[in-house]
Amino acid sequence: DQQVKQNSPSLSVQEGRISILNCDYTNSMFDYFLWYKKYPAEGPTFLISISSIKDKNEDGRFTVFLNKSAKHLSLHIVPSQPGDSAVYFCAASGGLYNFNKFYFGSGTKLNVKP
Amino acid sequence: DSGVTQTPKHLITATGQRVTLRCSPRSGDLSVYWYQQSLDQGLQFLIQYYNGEERAKGNILERFSAQQFPDLHSELNLSSLELGDSALYFCASSVEGRSYNEQFFGPGTRLTVL
Repeated sequence: DQQVKQNSPSLSVQEGRISILNCDYTNSMFDYFLWYKKYPAEGPTFLISISSIKDKNEDGRFTVFLNKSAKHLSLHIVPSQPGDSAVYFCAASGGLYNFNKFYFGSGTKLNVKP
Repeated sequence: DSGVTQTPKHLITATGQRVTLRCSPRSGDLSVYWYQQSLDQGLQFLIQYYNGEERAKGNILERFSAQQFPDLHSELNLSSLELGDSALYFCASSVEGRSYNEQFFGPGTRLTVL
């Protein structure tokens, strides 16, 4: 039972344009959400997070939006750069029974074309 | 470099065998997490330790076990290996193990079961 889903396995955008990566979750008890970036042959690295008390968090070119009613979050990258090409995972945690467990999506491979 | 080390980088073994994966957390981090990433899938949370004690458990098989030692390094033991256990195994560490603490991932151990 996959509680966090990334339905787009890949995304291709032009350099300088906006990249939008989407993520859906099913467990309404999740209260903390994260995005990780992963390059080949490396472990994931933390990118940005958001708690359920907010609906937006911004860090430079990266913004995460959370829509709790739709159980949906998205990561916006503006402007996209070739160095952003990587696999992006969303993750969720929190809740009474899931406090220290993390649930990851299957990832979206972003390709930013020069 | 996240500061988290994992050994070995690659491991090839046969079905029915037992292997041990090792993880050294970042200096000062008390919590260690283990994840499994099978082909084209997201990261599956296996287990978390904090200062030597098991803190949270995910979908870890009974054939798998882990522990965190007094020097805070951790080992993941996989026994009676099956073909389906072939995967990338990541270790991550964080300061206190709370959901809000950033996790730093190691480069992973690639296990191939033949």
